[in-house]
Amino acid sequence: GQQLNQSPQSMFIQEGEDVSMNCTSSSIFNTWLWYKQDPGEGPVLLIALYKAGELTSNGRLTAQFGITRKDSFLNISASIPSDVGIYFCAGSNAGGTSYGKLTFGQGTILTVHP
Amino acid sequence: GAVVSQHPSRVICKSGTSVKIECRSLDFQATTMFWYRQFPKQSLMLMATSNEGSKATYEQGVEKDKFLINHASLTLSTLTVTSAHPEDSSFYICSASTGGNEQFFGPGTRLTVL
Repeated sequence: GQQLNQSPQSMFIQEGEDVSMNCTSSSIFNTWLWYKQDPGEGPVLLIALYKAGELTSNGRLTAQFGITRKDSFLNISASIPSDVGIYFCAGSNAGGTSYGKLTFGQGTILTVHP
Repeated sequence: GAVVSQHPSRVICKSGTSVKIECRSLDFQATTMFWYRQFPKQSLMLMATSNEGSKATYEQGVEKDKFLINHASLTLSTLTVTSAHPEDSSFYICSASTGGNEQFFGPGTRLTVL
C-alpha cells in the first residue's frame, strides 16, 4: 500500500529560526495536507494543496505540492514557542472507494527553545 | 467553520464494560466520518470509515464486533468500544469530511480501561 516517509522525525530549534520538513511517497496523491497536533488534542489542518507545483502560504507557514505529486514540504519561518507540537503530512486521493482516506506520515516533533 | 466535537474528552472504565464515544460536525454536514486510534508519539491509525446511513468499512485487523460504528445522521457518528480491556486504552480521534480530500478532526477522546 501507499506509504509516506516524513522527515525529520524530530527537531530542536531556537526561537526565531526557520524550520523545514518534508514528506515523500512511493505513489502519487492528488491532495497533500499538513496538520499540526498539540498534546492531547486532535490534528488541526494548516494547509491543503490540490495541484502539482502549487505553493501556498498561511501566515508564517509555506507548503508546496511537488511536481511529481509524490512529495511535499512545509516551511515555518521565524519560529515561536507556540509552534511546538507534532506536524503530520497526509496524502489523499478522493473518489472511487477511497472516500478521501488519508495516508499519514510518521510526524515531526518540533521543539522550540525560547 | 469546519468544527468537529467529540464527547467525552476523557473516560475511565472498568474492564468488560462498553464505552460510547460521540463525534459531531457542528457547522457542516459530514458525508463521511473517520475513526482513528493513536498511541503515544505515533501517527494516526485509521480504524474505519463510515458514511451516513450505511455500514462502516473497517480497516484490516480492526474487529468490527469490538468497535461498533454508527453514522445515523450527517452530523453524528458514534464509536462503541464493546467489552473494553486494558489493551483498548488509547487516544481515539474522529474526523469528518464533506466528501472531498480534507478531513477536519475532533479533539480526541482519551480512553483508559482499568
